[in-house]
Amino acid sequence: ETGVTQSPTHLIKTRGQQVTLRCSSQSGHNTVSWYQQALGQGPQFIFQYYREEENGRGNFPPRFSGLQFPNYSSELNVNALELDDSALYLCASSFDADTQYFGPGTRLTVL
Amino acid sequence: RKEVEQDPGPFNVPEGATVAFNCTYSNSASQSFFWYRQDCRKEPKLLMSVYSSGNEDGRFTAQLNRASQYISLLIRDSKLSDSATYLCVVNGGNWGQNFVFGPGTRLSVLP
Repeated sequence: ETGVTQSPTHLIKTRGQQVTLRCSSQSGHNTVSWYQQALGQGPQFIFQYYREEENGRGNFPPRFSGLQFPNYSSELNVNALELDDSALYLCASSFDADTQYFGPGTRLTVL
Repeated sequence: RKEVEQDPGPFNVPEGATVAFNCTYSNSASQSFFWYRQDCRKEPKLLMSVYSSGNEDGRFTAQLNRASQYISLLIRDSKLSDSATYLCVVNGGNWGQNFVFGPGTRLSVLP
């Protein structure tokens, strides 16, 4: 196991609601990256946090936001949920943005 | 052109077969390269990093050709447990840039 944990494992929300997903990084890692994976596709990069600062962002709208805490755990917040936000959300931790190790993911369903 | 492209698959092979996956990338400044495997509805797991000199781990061999911007993965003596989706991953040229995933190639090893 990678030591990266995510919560919750599954979540069902309705359109327009807001959601917060959580990730605990592997011990010794200082970087957390978030990905969205739709069914049948590869993970798409949302953003990365390094030592509590955003360190890169993919092509996602501002309603996707995040935080990293002093213990390097992280949150992904999504406002105004849309049906297309239904996906597996993956968190990956690494040391200095090198090789990434993934958590089990949160499966979000938006109805 | 997509940043990372892979063989579309799926590949259906008998046990014991040798199978090769191909991947091309468009960012010539990319610094590091990886193969991940992903089982159905699970998180991606690191299979191996890919080095310029090529590297081998048991039945798995990875090759990198920077001039052609091409990465390969060879699986020898395939096992039923090798059935998964194989994701080619490229890390951007600048430190801290995101991992870019290919769409993946699904492998089914048949008894």
